[in-house]
Amino acid sequence: KAGVTQTPRYLIKTRGQQVTLSCSPISGHRSVSWYQQTPGQGLQFLFEYFSETQRNKGNFPGRFSGRQFSNSRSEMNVSTLELGDSALYLCASRAGEGSPLHFGNGTRLTVT
Amino acid sequence: AQSVTQPDIHITVSEGASLELRCNYSYGATPYLFWYVQSPGQGLQLLLKYFSGDTLVQGIKGFEAEFKRSQSSFNLRKPSVHWSDAAEYFCAVGARGSQGNLIFGKGTKLSVKP
Repeated sequence: KAGVTQTPRYLIKTRGQQVTLSCSPISGHRSVSWYQQTPGQGLQFLFEYFSETQRNKGNFPGRFSGRQFSNSRSEMNVSTLELGDSALYLCASRAGEGSPLHFGNGTRLTVT
Repeated sequence: AQSVTQPDIHITVSEGASLELRCNYSYGATPYLFWYVQSPGQGLQLLLKYFSGDTLVQGIKGFEAEFKRSQSSFNLRKPSVHWSDAAEYFCAVGARGSQGNLIFGKGTKLSVKP
């Protein structure tokens, strides 16, 4: 079974631009979560989607948004990029209640 | 406040030596507990999880962890470390019914001496 797939692996954007990251969960997994990883703040929860509905949201500004499609694929969008948004963005999926998260390899975003 | 503490930022052990990575948590109820490992440039790989039952859980790659409720700890152990175990290790907790929203520790970087 294929794992969680994130595209692209690397992105370089300029401050003020917007960016969209994509995540394909493991087949059959309906829950997708997003995390931001930085050296200073570590791993921080962004949001979780289940059956196209946002279930939980972390403490991030409204510039960070996401959505989930009917095939469980998910995207996250960051608008008006700031230098501090440079990070590794990780997507994870799980099969359901009582199942652990399985992570993708992440998208490395660099904002210049 | 809910939190996870990994007291050791960096640990170096010799190949073949035993390993224990510490994890303490602060949580309102009995949480779900996890250990993940991350190699450079990669995502997180699940080593093991504790949901309920036996407090000693076995994971992949020869790792095990013990849940001690009285100490709010979930330490990771391995009897004999291999050079390929060099990586960063993260402890995480999650609420029952909300395992998509995990709280992670800051991680412990493991270096292995030949």
